[in-house]
Amino acid sequence: EVQLLESGGGLAQPGGSLRVSCVASGFTFSRNAMGWVRQAPGKGLEWVSAIAGGGDTHYADSVKGRFTISRDNSKNTLYLQMISLRAEDTAVYYCAKDRGNSFSSGFDYWGQGTLVTVSS
Amino acid sequence: EIVLTQSPGTLSLSPGERATLSCRASQSVSRSYLAWYQQKPGQAPRLLIYGASSRATAIPDRFSGSGSGTDFTLTISRLEPEDFAVYYCQQYDTSPLTFGGGTKVEIK
Repeated sequence: EVQLLESGGGLAQPGGSLRVSCVASGFTFSRNAMGWVRQAPGKGLEWVSAIAGGGDTHYADSVKGRFTISRDNSKNTLYLQMISLRAEDTAVYYCAKDRGNSFSSGFDYWGQGTLVTVSS
Repeated sequence: EIVLTQSPGTLSLSPGERATLSCRASQSVSRSYLAWYQQKPGQAPRLLIYGASSRATAIPDRFSGSGSGTDFTLTISRLEPEDFAVYYCQQYDTSPLTFGGGTKVEIK
């Protein structure tokens, strides 16, 4: 059974930083691209970033230069390092497994999300 | 960036009725790289359809997807009580990946 478990969310100050993690199980982690999708309170889904199985990365313009996606295949873990946080980054951050190995083929499994709140 | 526009914003229907949801792209989505997701309150999204028309694992056959180019449709042939939710389309043809604004299917 595929499972994705996010952690690391919480309260951060504007301009601060936070790292969220996602531990994966139930599939061969290194074979799949992974991504982060966020959802602000009461709003729709917004793609944040993706990393291919081979390590190529992609970012939404809204986070480029501030967020860094990475993966540790030996630990079956996906990361999102966030710096220079803004109030508009407040959202539930979902980790998602891609169907394929390259950039994107659709997200077939999702974690339950971790809430990041940016406020003073 | 490919902008996806979903309509209607809200669909009010009764159980047993047919639901037709639209997703229109601002430019052609090549290779039909379009997916549909269902999201219920307090839950993560669930993949329903990928490649515009292929059902994901364990998705009932009352859900079907169609379309190509710039116009895509998700059809729920007969609404079950558990189908009342918000539905999102997403293109994965080009970066940045983009989602539509969602269609809420509510009980009439």
